Amino acid sequence: KNQVEQSPQSLIILEGKNCTLQCNYTVSPFSNLRWYKQDTGRGPVSLTIMTFSENTKSNGRYTATLDADTKQSSLHITASQLSDSASYICVVSGGDSWGKLQFGAGTQVVVTP
Amino acid sequence: GAVVSQHPSRVICKSGTSVKIECRSLDFQATTMFWYRQFPKQSLMLMATSNEGSKATYEQGVEKDKFLINHASLTLSTLTVTSAHPEDSSFYICSARSTETQYFGPGTRLLVL
Repeated sequence: KNQVEQSPQSLIILEGKNCTLQCNYTVSPFSNLRWYKQDTGRGPVSLTIMTFSENTKSNGRYTATLDADTKQSSLHITASQLSDSASYICVVSGGDSWGKLQFGAGTQVVVTP
Repeated sequence: GAVVSQHPSRVICKSGTSVKIECRSLDFQATTMFWYRQFPKQSLMLMATSNEGSKATYEQGVEKDKFLINHASLTLSTLTVTSAHPEDSSFYICSARSTETQYFGPGTRLLVL
């Protein structure tokens, strides 16, 4: 069973609207949680990385939250743009800070005009 | 930010031939690099961990004699797919670990005919 579950699998939003992606994990012990953006046919690009003690982190229009007690994270995209169309992957690192990465299956976001 | 490059970006080869993919960290030294494989609409799957100057560590189910990894310097790791078959067609992504985080390459699309 995958230790990192993402929802929804995909979503379509209108340009300019906001959306929130969810990530639940069971990885233990926990080190950090990262959100990556992967454009089609490209490698993942880091958006945020949060450790146990961090509840929220922003990167431009992307804001990630983390609740280490409930083992949940979200990624909020504000005022979406067409260039936000991509797969967003939640990645959890266990053990030490360089523990093995556990990848979620990703949420495919399509922003339409 | 740190950049990881891969070469080639895409390759088409005949069944039975070998293909070499290069992964370079361009502005930092990486003692550890990782090789992933990604099938369509699936998440990244770790194949092996490449350690500079020592043998690679392969994940369960990955044939080390088929996927040869060499990490001869702190900025270069290579993955050679030997005797490639159509089922090896996939998107291969490398990543390199810096002191801050893990950076992913842009990926190599391999198509075996």
